[in-house]
This record gives sequence, structure tokens and C-alpha cells, in this order.
Amino acid sequence: EPEVTQTPSHQVTQMGQEVILRCVPISNHLYFYWYRQILGQKVEFLVSFYNNEISEKSEIFDDQFSVERPDGSNFTLKIRSTKLEDSAMYFCASSEESGGADEQFFGPGTRLTVL
Amino acid sequence: RKEVEQDPGPFNVPEGATVAFNCTYSNSASQSFFWYRQDCRKEPKLLMSVYSSGNEDGRFTAQLNRASQYISLLIRDSKLSDSATYLCVVTYSYSSASKIIFGSGTRLSIRP
Repeated sequence: EPEVTQTPSHQVTQMGQEVILRCVPISNHLYFYWYRQILGQKVEFLVSFYNNEISEKSEIFDDQFSVERPDGSNFTLKIRSTKLEDSAMYFCASSEESGGADEQFFGPGTRLTVL
Repeated sequence: RKEVEQDPGPFNVPEGATVAFNCTYSNSASQSFFWYRQDCRKEPKLLMSVYSSGNEDGRFTAQLNRASQYISLLIRDSKLSDSATYLCVVTYSYSSASKIIFGSGTRLSIRP
């Protein structure tokens, strides 16, 4: 069964450093998403991406964040200058159609720890 | 009022019991509704979509009440493996984008 994959599974970084989280969505999916989940809290939407551009972003997704689909398979989330409060689980998801109507498949997540 | 609200639980029920949880949403323009389950430190996984007519998948039944703006999930004959956090997801579209909102989740613990 096709699945979303994410690397690394755990990333530890120093405050102020840049990190890039990588995702490989399901191959025939067209819509891609990033979410974060701070430990013990709810899943929060960050950004959706379609046709090589951001289609929607939340207020969390400020100028520190960017997304890119550098090739036909990877979808990345970059945090330019990490803060302590960026420590969270980051989930990538993809769907065939717009997530407004279609189920999203989630990757296993990257646990980001900012020291 | 929160956009999507769930009783956090935990619900602690014996194996074989029937358990139900609700989720309320504030935006009447909400269009799609889902229940996901999330195991500890794992990713959310779709349990079922929720349709206006209600839908059933084995031991699980989901219902939508648009007038009162809530969705429900009923689990019959609960199994130990049903222990998880159940996430309510509500989406609505505007312009060319969709807004996707997760509830905080309801924790369910099934005891032998």
C-alpha cells in the first residue's frame, strides 16, 4: 500500500539553526500539507500546497517557514531560524484531491527538538 | 467558541462496551467531516468520513447533524485495540482554498 514517508524521524537542532524536514508524498497525489503537533496538544494546520504553490497557510506559518517541491517526489518544510517553541512533531500529508473533500494520508512525522 | 470542540476524555470503558463521542463545530459553512484516530506518538489515520446520511463501517458508526452542528462517533463491542485518541476533523472551502481544522481529540482507553 502506498504511503507517505518522512525523514528524518527525529531532528535535534540548536536554537537559531535552519532545519529542513523532508517528505515524499504518495506518488499520484496532487495536494500536499504540513501540520505540527506540540506534545500533548492538537494537530495544527500549517500550509497546503498545490500546483507548485502555496494554496493556504495558517497564522503559524510565518516568514520563518517555507515549503518547496524541489523535484517530482520530495516536499520539504524549511524553518529558517528555529525557536524553542518550534519543538513539535511535524506531519506531512497528501491527498488526491483538495483536502476539503478528500481524505489525507499522513506520514509518520518528524520529531523536531530545538535546544 | 472553538472552531472544533471535543470532550478530551479520557473515556475509560470495559472491553465489549459501546462508547460514543461528539464533536461540535462553529462554522455552519463546514463541508466535510472526518474521524481520525491517533495512537500515542503516531500519525493520525483516517477512521472514516462522515456523510450527511450517516455511515457505518463494521463496529463504527458516524453521524452528522448539520442543524445542531455536531458529528458523532459510536463504537460498538469495543476492543482493546480501539484504545487511542479520536480526532474530529472539519473542513470548509472558500475561494480556491480549504481550511482544515482538527479537534483536540478524545482519549479512549479500553480495559480488559
